[in-house]
Amino acid sequence: LAKTTQPISMDSYEGQEVNITCSHNNIATNDYITWYQQFPSQGPRFIIQGYKTKVTNEVASLFIPADRKSSTLSLPRVSLSDTAVYYCLVVRNTGTASKLTFGTGTRLQVTL
Amino acid sequence: GAVVSQHPSWVICKSGTSVKIECRSLDFQATTMFWYRQFPKQSLMLMATSNEGSKATYEQGVEKDKFLINHASLTLSTLTVTSAHPEDSSFYICSAPHLAGGYEQYFGPGTRLTVT
Repeated sequence: LAKTTQPISMDSYEGQEVNITCSHNNIATNDYITWYQQFPSQGPRFIIQGYKTKVTNEVASLFIPADRKSSTLSLPRVSLSDTAVYYCLVVRNTGTASKLTFGTGTRLQVTL
Repeated sequence: GAVVSQHPSWVICKSGTSVKIECRSLDFQATTMFWYRQFPKQSLMLMATSNEGSKATYEQGVEKDKFLINHASLTLSTLTVTSAHPEDSSFYICSAPHLAGGYEQYFGPGTRLTVT
C-alpha cells in the first residue's frame, strides 16, 4: 500500500480553518483515502473518506487532486475540542475487510 | 453509528501473568477484527487480524504464542497477552469494519495495560 507523509504537528487558533495535507505518491487505482481522528487514550474515529475530487460531510472536507498523489483534509472553524492527532490512510478496496496502516499522524493543537 | 466496545478499559497485572482483553461489536457482526498496539506519543501498530472461524494472521515481528487471539463469534474477539512483561505495557485497540467494503472501520475505546 502507498506510504503516506503528513506534517508531524500543526498549530491553529480557535475559529480558523485548518488544512492538513497528506502525500501518497504511490497510490493505486483501487486505493481510497481515509482520515481518522484520535484523542488521547481513545480509539481512532473515522472522519471522512474519498476517492477523487471533493468530499464533504458534517465535520470536514476532503480535497483530492486529479493525480491523487496527495489529499487535503479541511476542518472549518476549529475549536479547542478539535485538538487531536489526525491520520491519513490509504486503504485498498478489495471487497473484504482491509488492514489499516497508520503513519505518524499530524498532531493538531488548537488554542484560544 | 456502529459501536465497538472493549473490556476492560484498563488493567494492571504482575509480570508473568496473563491478561485477556475482549473486543465486541455491539450492533453489527464482524467476521474480521483487527488488533493494534500503541505506545505513548506513537502511532497505532497493527498486531494481527482476527478471523472468525479460523486462525488469526499476525504481522511480522508479532509473537503469536505470546499474543493469543480467539475470534469466538461474529461479535467477539479476544486478545490474551501471555506471560506479560513490563515492556508489554501499552494501549491495545481493536477495530472492526462496518461493512464488507472495509475502508471505514470502527475502533474500540482501547485497553490500557500496565505490567508491574
